[in-house]
Amino acid sequence: DAKTTQPPSMDCAEGRAANLPCNHSTISGNEYVYWYRQIHSQGPQYIIHGLKNNETNEMASLIITEDRKSSTLILPHATLRDTAVYYCIVRFSMEYGNKLVFGAGTILRVKS
Amino acid sequence: DVKVTQSSRYLVKRTGEKVFLECVQDMDHENMFWYRQDPGLGLRLIYFSYDVKMKEKGDIPEGYSVSREKKERFSLILESASTNQTSMYLCASSIDRGGGQPQHFGDGTRLSIL
Repeated sequence: DAKTTQPPSMDCAEGRAANLPCNHSTISGNEYVYWYRQIHSQGPQYIIHGLKNNETNEMASLIITEDRKSSTLILPHATLRDTAVYYCIVRFSMEYGNKLVFGAGTILRVKS
Repeated sequence: DVKVTQSSRYLVKRTGEKVFLECVQDMDHENMFWYRQDPGLGLRLIYFSYDVKMKEKGDIPEGYSVSREKKERFSLILESASTNQTSMYLCASSIDRGGGQPQHFGDGTRLSIL
């Protein structure tokens, strides 16, 4: 799996958009970009994933640059409950038994 | 929504005991996974299963075994618990064997071996 680089921490005001960046400059054509988050003492929660196109679901939007070397996760209206560690990972689509490998992630603190 | 349920959130056992961790998913997923998560070491894959009665070793299978008798249930067994198996254990399931679909996790079992 390609390596990703994320800032160690970010702050966001409640109600504002949280934009979490991720660099994955060595990503290959068959690797997806995934985002998970983990709230303290809970299991990781899947947020969103994409290959080339931007994606949106009920939780967030994923913006992938045209060269696919970086992406941004957007939480449109952050709440206090969005405080968590956010992990950006890339996964090869066809690798059998593909395990998840989390890096250090970004600690997002949403403040009132 | 996918629901992955782990039988216990917190568990305390003694050294040498046989420990069973249970995981059930309600989405008819073929693939199920057991990880452990430790500070500074991230997620490490213990075992995974891609079908009933099928299992494959992950990166750290020593001291563990698994059982998949029904599609929805995947059990992790610590044959003889040791203190270095104190950890957060996470079960996950996915519809896809590869990387094209997400793995969905349970809330984890925080296991302490005394």
